[in-house]
Amino acid sequence: DQQVKQNSPSLSVQEGRISILNCDYTNSMFDYFLWYKKYPAEGPTFLISISSIKDKNEDGRFTVFLNKSAKHLSLHIVPSQPGDSAVYFCAATLNTGNQFYFGTGTSLTVIP
Amino acid sequence: DTGVSQDPRHKITKRGQNVTFRCDPISEHNRLYWYRQTLGQGPEFLTYFQNEAQLEKSRLLSDRFSAERPKGSFSTLEIQRTEQGDSAMYLCASSPTRGGAFFGQGTRLTVV
Repeated sequence: DQQVKQNSPSLSVQEGRISILNCDYTNSMFDYFLWYKKYPAEGPTFLISISSIKDKNEDGRFTVFLNKSAKHLSLHIVPSQPGDSAVYFCAATLNTGNQFYFGTGTSLTVIP
Repeated sequence: DTGVSQDPRHKITKRGQNVTFRCDPISEHNRLYWYRQTLGQGPEFLTYFQNEAQLEKSRLLSDRFSAERPKGSFSTLEIQRTEQGDSAMYLCASSPTRGGAFFGQGTRLTVV
């Protein structure tokens, strides 16, 4: 049972434009959400996170938005750069923090 | 380098053999996770340690899989009687408290 879903397997964006990656979840008990970036043959790299008590968190070019009523979060990357090309995973955790539930990933390609 | 370290990076083994992987978490991180990832999928949770206690274990973790964290520092994951379906990237992550987990580079297992 996939509790975290990323319905877009891939996304292509022109360099300098905004990349928007989406994620939906089904478990209303999730209280912490994270985005990871992954290059081939490497482990995921933590990017940005957000607590369920917030609706927005910003870190440089990366902003995560959380809409609890819709059980939806998104990652905005502005401006997109070719080095951002990677697979992006969203993840969620319960208040125990005993496990991270991951989506299936979205492959982002930033075209120079 | 003070990141999460995994050894070996690659392992090729014959079906039926036992394999053991090691993970050295970031120093003083009391939370340690093992995940497995196959192509096109997000990381799948295997097990979680808080210090030396194994607090959570996925039902995916069959009797052939065992994990330890004897002194609350490094951890090992052993797979007995490997099968071709065990071929995957095995990822270890650690975190100090609630929040983002930091992943190692992973161990790529190929069972032939």
